[in-house]
Amino acid sequence: KQEVTQIPAALSVPEGENLVLNCSFTDSAIYNLQWFRQDPGKGLTSLLLIQSSQREQTSGRLNASLDKSSGRSTLYIAASQPGDSATYLCAVGVGGSQGNLIFGKGTKLSVKP
Amino acid sequence: DGGITQSPKYLFRKEGQNVTLSCEQNLNHDAMYWYRQDPGQGLRLIYYSQIVNDFQKGDIAEGYSVSREKKESFPLTVTSAQKNPTAFYLCASMGPNWGYTFGSGTRLTVV
Repeated sequence: KQEVTQIPAALSVPEGENLVLNCSFTDSAIYNLQWFRQDPGKGLTSLLLIQSSQREQTSGRLNASLDKSSGRSTLYIAASQPGDSATYLCAVGVGGSQGNLIFGKGTKLSVKP
Repeated sequence: DGGITQSPKYLFRKEGQNVTLSCEQNLNHDAMYWYRQDPGQGLRLIYYSQIVNDFQKGDIAEGYSVSREKKESFPLTVTSAQKNPTAFYLCASMGPNWGYTFGSGTRLTVV
């Protein structure tokens, strides 16, 4: 059974710092890996989607990498800002055309001014 | 703007009562999903539908029911058989290349 783990569960950093969030999964047979952002009491916003054949994706200050063989992904946030404070969720795509995602529990990020 | 609308934002259920959560999308997506989120937990799949008039159970379907009579709508009913329904419920749809869009959620509380 696929399991997704995110470390750390919570992270507090000063503004301007570069940081890395980690995600690991137990079964390398995935279709893709996605990173989402969730603000308190809100829905999820898609940040980056990496297909299984890709190694990384970039969007602005965000860079996500994928190493299927080792079952790991990282989300790199450059020059962090207080507005980056949120919970970041990692999810792996399984089940073929069904489009099902298996989620980690998230990393709660706090960026202090 | 295209998106997913969930209503209501907050819902209170009495013991033994069935309640229905609404989810509507105008993205023309075929696939729709219901997830449950508990504090400090990841999202867990309740039901999903890939096409009108068809839906499949997810990992935690017991105590829930759905319908998919229209492409745009995928309502979730929380029945009295669901013993611990207090949670945050999220509806999502999937477009091309696994692009997911989520609604803003419904927070259900048992009173």
